[in-house]
Amino acid sequence: NAGVTQTPKFRILKIGQSMTLQCTQDMNHNYMYWYRQDPGMGLKLIYYSVGAGITDKGEVPNGYNVSRSTTEDFPLRLELAAPSQTSVYFCASSYPPVNYGYTFGSGTRLTVV
Amino acid sequence: ELKVEQNPLFLSMQEGKNYTIYCNYSTTSDRLYWYRQDPGKSLESLFVLLSNGAVKQEGRLMASLDTKARLSTLHITAAVHDLSATYFCAVDTGNQFYFGTGTSLTVIP
Repeated sequence: NAGVTQTPKFRILKIGQSMTLQCTQDMNHNYMYWYRQDPGMGLKLIYYSVGAGITDKGEVPNGYNVSRSTTEDFPLRLELAAPSQTSVYFCASSYPPVNYGYTFGSGTRLTVV
Repeated sequence: ELKVEQNPLFLSMQEGKNYTIYCNYSTTSDRLYWYRQDPGKSLESLFVLLSNGAVKQEGRLMASLDTKARLSTLHITAAVHDLSATYFCAVDTGNQFYFGTGTSLTVIP
């Protein structure tokens, strides 16, 4: 049982480039989330999904897009990367209701230069 | 705007001492979670508090929830070096969690 798997673990992007952060879970969780964590800060929600085909914006969605075509996968797309998107990105999943908290992936450390 | 405030933000404590971390939040919620994060690592679930008055204990850590005061506490008893980490509380609003800014704990000999 792998839990929540994120790839890549590290990435350096140039300003204006695009990339997709991958997130896959094998726990049959309906709910999935993308958070970013800036240095010394808490986590901010970017997007979330309550099931396949359903996505919604969180606190900081600008500059990102998501899709949820399957229960297992929830990729996060960065278009036209900017230095402000330098952060650590965490994907998480959960059952509803969230009686057990979230299960987090190991994170993707992204640097935009 | 929902706010989740933790204090202190930084805590340096000696081994063997006791201390409490506080988590205040600004919305009505009866679900609160505590996580631990080691440097460069992901978040690990510590406690799930699902009702007013809930108290959970694991080893030297004990968490409680007072939904009327919108306050949760994480109490550390007889701290040891292995507890050095950043601790986050998170409030469940129904569709998403809102995280506090974290408390960076360093336990020194």
